[in-house]
Amino acid sequence: QKEVEQNSGPLSVPEGAIASLNCTYSDRVSQSFFWYRQYSGKSPELIMSIYSNGDKEDGRFTAQLNKASQYVSLLIRDSQPSDSATYLCAVKLTGTASKLTFGTGTRLQVTL
Amino acid sequence: ETGVTQTPRHLVMGMTNKKSLKCEQHLGHNAMYWYKQSAKKPLELMFVYSLEERVENNSVPSRFSPECPNSSHLFLHLHTLQPEDSALYLCASSSTRADTQYFGPGTRLTVL
Repeated sequence: QKEVEQNSGPLSVPEGAIASLNCTYSDRVSQSFFWYRQYSGKSPELIMSIYSNGDKEDGRFTAQLNKASQYVSLLIRDSQPSDSATYLCAVKLTGTASKLTFGTGTRLQVTL
Repeated sequence: ETGVTQTPRHLVMGMTNKKSLKCEQHLGHNAMYWYKQSAKKPLELMFVYSLEERVENNSVPSRFSPECPNSSHLFLHLHTLQPEDSALYLCASSSTRADTQYFGPGTRLTVL
């Protein structure tokens, strides 16, 4: 089992819709979770971090964490074509001080 | 984003060449990382330096040699690489008190 799993996509949503990106992880006691956005040919850019169960909102982005089910998701409201990118989920696994384990990423396409 | 810079941005080298990648962070962080990103694979952590000491080496071949002369600079020395080493090499930094990592723009390496 991969430590951090994401559906590679592409996930296609129409402009203005809600995009839902999901990530599952294998380590039950992981404490820190991150979503990065990566445009083609560019480096990953941090969107959000989340540490506690529940929702965390930042503008059009909402991160949701459910530690019991070992998943973390990212919702993008009012999706825009500029949101088209690959979204990477990263998890700090137990006992790996400052080491993040990344998923393969989900490619999101927002269509006009 | 100019917090983490990398040079060169693109590098083409032959298998017998020796070259170096440079990373510099201007964020006051004290941990730095080298990652390799190949197509359709998750980010692979290569090396971690914390307070200028190497704290992790993920079974990286000896043809990759890191150097961290101070907390702001990180180098990756390359020697007799293979074509399969062609990838995007990303540098990141973080505060050892926090988990969030910030990435540089990357060096696109092509080994002929």
